[in-house]
Amino acid sequence: RKEVEQDPGPFNVPEGATVAFNCTYSNSASQSFFWYRQDCRKEPKLLMSVYSSGNEDGRFTAQLNRASQYISLLIRDSKLSDSATYLCVVENYGGSQGNLIFGKGTKLSVKP
Amino acid sequence: EAGVAQSPRYKIIEKRQSVAFWCNPISGHATLYWYQQILGQGPKLLIQFQNNGVVDDSQLPKDRFSAERLKGVDSTLKIQPAKLEDSAVYLCASSLQGGSTEAFFGQGTRLTVV
Repeated sequence: RKEVEQDPGPFNVPEGATVAFNCTYSNSASQSFFWYRQDCRKEPKLLMSVYSSGNEDGRFTAQLNRASQYISLLIRDSKLSDSATYLCVVENYGGSQGNLIFGKGTKLSVKP
Repeated sequence: EAGVAQSPRYKIIEKRQSVAFWCNPISGHATLYWYQQILGQGPKLLIQFQNNGVVDDSQLPKDRFSAERLKGVDSTLKIQPAKLEDSAVYLCASSLQGGSTEAFFGQGTRLTVV
């Protein structure tokens, strides 16, 4: 089982649609969880952290289910500018400190 | 505030040649990462430094890859000799303290091995 697995995508949706991305992780000891966004030929950038209680930032909602080792990202009212690859990221402990393990990413294309 | 700086942006080399990449992290960031991103895949961790010490290099192909972070600031990643499958974007990232804090990425070095 891969450390971080995501929906393969791509997701092609019209503007205004609601889209959900799912992610599972294998290390039950993981403590921190994130969604990063990567535009084409650009570097990844933090979109939002994911907390056990769930968190919302405008049109974006992230949720974490520790029992199922499952993370989700919901985007409401999709905009053309949301088109990007969304990377699920989990903190793993490979040594004395945690490091960040990335999923393969799910590509989103929002069409007019 | 200055971001993570990487150079060069692009590099084309022949297989079996050597190449080196340079990274200057955000000032004050103790943790520095090198990731390899092959087209269509997520970034794969190669090595993590905490100040000038290696925290995790379990996925670094040590027969050909090496990295150092002298004085706990700048870092270099070297490949010697390069193989065709090393063609990828090499991303450097830094964070204040380990994986619980946001990682900031440089623009990456796009390596093509021919």
